[in-house]
Amino acid sequence: QKEVEQNSGPLSVPEGAIASLNCTYSDRGSQSFFWYRQYSGKSPELIMFIYSNGDKEDGRFTAQLNKASQYVSLLIRDSQPSDSATYLCAVGLTGGGNKLTFGTGTQLKVEL
Amino acid sequence: DGGITQSPKYLFRKEGQNVTLSCEQNLNHDAMYWYRQDPGQGLRLIYYSQIVNDFQKGDIAEGYSVSREKKESFPLTVTSAQKNPTAFYLCASSIAAGRDTQYFGPGTRLTVL
Repeated sequence: QKEVEQNSGPLSVPEGAIASLNCTYSDRGSQSFFWYRQYSGKSPELIMFIYSNGDKEDGRFTAQLNKASQYVSLLIRDSQPSDSATYLCAVGLTGGGNKLTFGTGTQLKVEL
Repeated sequence: DGGITQSPKYLFRKEGQNVTLSCEQNLNHDAMYWYRQDPGQGLRLIYYSQIVNDFQKGDIAEGYSVSREKKESFPLTVTSAQKNPTAFYLCASSIAAGRDTQYFGPGTRLTVL
């Protein structure tokens, strides 16, 4: 059973729209949640992290965490073609010593 | 510039050979990690080290070995015992164990001929 699940996509949105990426996790004790962006052939780069329930905004990006429902989401406002990439959700598990478990990623395509 | 470097960028190995992938960081981070990424799969943890001279197996350690003799270096050896080593290998580091963010190097793409 996967511990962190993401829809593989592709998720296609028009330029300027809001892209919504979702991630669910199985361990209720999970404490830290990260979103990474990965362009094809490149390494992951951090977009945002969130530790507490609610929303966290950084520029065009908003991370949302709901521990009761065990999901974390990433909203991208005013989507640009340069946002086209695979978005990886990562979860830090209880007592994990900072070990992260990654989802398989959602491919986002922003179309002109 | 502070960061994480990995070398080589591309590596070709013949079956039966051991190869070593380099990972160096100048961020003064205590913790370092090795992941493997296969197409369509998420990152899987191979080994991690929270402090110099100490490391732990991750989820898929079989066929791999590591050392952590210096804080800034965490080399990964892919041995001939690793049955399917062709993959994208990623090194990461974080300030310390706990909730701290992991930052990734550029990766090494290993292909077995």
